[in-house]
Amino acid sequence: DIVMTQTPLSLAVTLGQPASISCRSGEGLVHSDGNTYLSWLQQRPGQPPRLLIYGISNRFSGVPDRFSGSGAGTYFTLTISRVEAEDVGVYYCTQATEFPHTFGQGTKLEIK
Amino acid sequence: QGQLVESGGGVVQPGESLRLSCAVSGFTFSNYAMHWVRQAPGKGLEWVTDISLDGIYTHYADSVRGRFTISRDNSKNMLYLQMNSLRAEDTAVYYCAKGFDLWGRGTLVTVSS
Repeated sequence: DIVMTQTPLSLAVTLGQPASISCRSGEGLVHSDGNTYLSWLQQRPGQPPRLLIYGISNRFSGVPDRFSGSGAGTYFTLTISRVEAEDVGVYYCTQATEFPHTFGQGTKLEIK
Repeated sequence: QGQLVESGGGVVQPGESLRLSCAVSGFTFSNYAMHWVRQAPGKGLEWVTDISLDGIYTHYADSVRGRFTISRDNSKNMLYLQMNSLRAEDTAVYYCAKGFDLWGRGTLVTVSS
């Protein structure tokens, strides 16, 4: 199984400041079709997960442009340029390149 | 867009069975692979299983293989998860998901004696 390791596991950020979450995969995530199926999900308290980023860096429909994704190979990053109060929650990276699909442990974002 | 609504959760004893359903609306169900993902109380996300758009191909996590069966009825826009030989460690909120871009609100399964 491909292990997804997120750092940090918790993050306290002042409103308006940037935040960054890292995700390292145990293997490369390039599929045989040439795509990299690395996504980022947000889970607000009491809510189901919500897709933010797919294919490393593509923002999903309706996602604010303060969210961005980057990376390649086995190292990926989710960046929030200016944290807002509604960004509180847990963020997960996930890979769908290989079965079983796997998730990172989650990073809890709080407001300082 | 679209909507996914799970049902069928509840409290069962170890060894018993449960069938979850996911009602789909707002998109062409037969065009998409579908997943079940679960989340134990206070824990992270765990992918459980998926099924191809035509229902021919399925994949399972090792933790449920041989006990859980995913299926779909494209004529009814329904996704199912048959869960047999349930264990305490299967206690979780079960989400159905279209890819990872659309999620239901989940249904809680509690396995306890």
